[in-house]
Amino acid sequence: DSGVTQTPKHLITATGQRVTLRCSPRSGDLSVYWYQQSLDQGLQFLIQYYNGEERAKGNILERFSAQQFPDLHSELNLSSLELGDSALYFCASSKTGGDTEAFFGQGTRLTVV
Amino acid sequence: GNSVTQMEGPVTLSEEAFLTINCTYTATGYPSLFWYVQYPGEGLQLLLKATKADDKGSNKGFEATYRKETTSFHLEKGSVQVSDSAVYFCALSDPSGNYQLIWGAGTKLIIKP
Repeated sequence: DSGVTQTPKHLITATGQRVTLRCSPRSGDLSVYWYQQSLDQGLQFLIQYYNGEERAKGNILERFSAQQFPDLHSELNLSSLELGDSALYFCASSKTGGDTEAFFGQGTRLTVV
Repeated sequence: GNSVTQMEGPVTLSEEAFLTINCTYTATGYPSLFWYVQYPGEGLQLLLKATKADDKGSNKGFEATYRKETTSFHLEKGSVQVSDSAVYFCALSDPSGNYQLIWGAGTKLIIKP
């Protein structure tokens, strides 16, 4: 158990819909990262938050947004979903930035039908 | 820019064989280097890391040495087991890149009994 909790574990939804994925980081970790893992794209960095502020942005679509709340949990919002958004979405946390070990959650498997 | 290149998989070996998974990097600063492993159905977990040149990271029989002169961080294990079957990711964290983790594409390892 990494200490990072992601909910839900599985999500099936229709095209055009909007979903919210939730991540609770390890106790004491200030940084949260979101990743998308699909068969053809590998592991894609989406976005990083540090202590409530956006720190780095990767290949995140405009239809996607995220935030980190004062209690440090984070949510990833995916809207106007397309079939190609079907993937595993991972959250990871670390104490500070990327120089320290990142701990990954079990992921949320999103299936868009 | 910063990048990580891993050997393409899948890599298929017999039990007790010697393993090498190649990883080379490009970075503007002095990065830390990591190997993460993803077992089937799970999130990624840190396998080993090295924070400066000539450091050797080791864990669970796996080793990797930070070679600045060849910009490499190859993963090795002397005798693999079926339980080592997983996807292995090489990553770097560059302080000049705001410590963002940069990932390789992952290498799938299959060990046959």
